[in-house]
Amino acid sequence: ILNVEQSPQSLHVQEGDSTNFTCSFPSSNFYALHWYRWETAKSPEALFVMTLNGDEKKKGRISATLNTKEGYSYLYIKGSQPEDSATYLCALQTGANNLFFGTGTRLTVIP
Amino acid sequence: GAGVSQSPSNKVTEKGKDVELRCDPISGHTALYWYRQRLGQGLEFLIYFQGNSAPDKSGLPSDRFSAERTGESVSTLTIQRTQQEDSAVYLCASSVGVTGELFFGEGSRLTVL
Repeated sequence: ILNVEQSPQSLHVQEGDSTNFTCSFPSSNFYALHWYRWETAKSPEALFVMTLNGDEKKKGRISATLNTKEGYSYLYIKGSQPEDSATYLCALQTGANNLFFGTGTRLTVIP
Repeated sequence: GAGVSQSPSNKVTEKGKDVELRCDPISGHTALYWYRQRLGQGLEFLIYFQGNSAPDKSGLPSDRFSAERTGESVSTLTIQRTQQEDSAVYLCASSVGVTGELFFGEGSRLTVL
């Protein structure tokens, strides 16, 4: 079992604020890094899958960066909206194998 | 259906009984994963199937847990002699390939009394 750490554990921001979270992972045997968004009472949904050092991906107001050499990824949300409230999970994929999830960052956006 | 389907959505059982959870992945997805989330904890890996390869069972917590998958279709997760600590949401996910994003089902909530 690999140690994938996410910080902060929870976060409250005002509507309109921008925010970011961190995912740290062991850099050895890296294959891919996934980000998922998990809203209450729903299933987790994929945001990004990144495989290359230096990768940057963007989907609307959400973007992510990846540093495989130092073992971290950042997720950014620009201009947070109440509908962004969810738990954001990152997952490390090693080899062509299973994914190890972090415990997530729970974001609450206050209107 | 278009998505990953899991059944039952809710299961309440008595300690010591066996339960079977079912997952119908998206057609054509070769990889299938089982995870569970116990109250207040993160997603815990249980087992991974990839095509016809031997499954990665390294996450199964005890020999009371087993899972099978027929080819690239339905998977069943069986828990024998359930214990209260088995209470959790059991999530199934499938993906199209080795770096494909995971598509999750809505989960099976298991409560062991």
